[in-house]
Amino acid sequence: SQQGEEDPQALSIQEGENATMNCSYKTSINNLQWYRQNSGRGLVHLILIRSNEREKHSGRLRVTLDTSKKSSSLLITASRAADTASYFCATDASHGAQKLVFGQGTRLTINP
Amino acid sequence: KAGVTQTPRYLIKTRGQQVTLSCSPISGHRSVSWYQQTPGQGLQFLFEYFSETQRNKGNFPGRFSGRQFSNSRSEMNVSTLELGDSALYLCASRPGLAGDTQYFGPGTRLTVL
Repeated sequence: SQQGEEDPQALSIQEGENATMNCSYKTSINNLQWYRQNSGRGLVHLILIRSNEREKHSGRLRVTLDTSKKSSSLLITASRAADTASYFCATDASHGAQKLVFGQGTRLTINP
Repeated sequence: KAGVTQTPRYLIKTRGQQVTLSCSPISGHRSVSWYQQTPGQGLQFLFEYFSETQRNKGNFPGRFSGRQFSNSRSEMNVSTLELGDSALYLCASRPGLAGDTQYFGPGTRLTVL
């Protein structure tokens, strides 16, 4: 079963607007990673945030992590048509098997 | 550095057959993980190899197996294919085991008829 729950499942916005996606998880983590996937292709790593970090930026991406609420958010600012993709959060648990556990993803559509 | 490569990219098999998928990690990466992606179950962890040893295994039947070679290249094998094995199989590599970013390959699209 998936540990992560992503919200919303689908998001459609106009180009230039900001897009926010949320992820919740269940267990203690070492880090949380966000990935992008274009239509049935491989996953592209976007950003990794460690459990002792609260916020991280990379270009137009901003990720926050709240370990007390076991949640994270990904903000994409000034969206572009090329940002249309599915976005997944994945947690790397601090105990047990060292594997990534993925959420179901958010399907983001940027309308020109 | 070259990224993670997977071969073949597309594969069509029939029920009962077996299949072998190959993954070459990023140079210097010693850990290789395999994931299955389906519309119904999403992305699920299959197994991880490090230094030719299986370190972790997901909740999949014994028909799914893998191995890693001394050059860190990995193969996964699925025997006695079932229709439900149709999926995108993704390979990921990272330098070590815990806490590192995993870098994914383009995947192998397996269709079982």
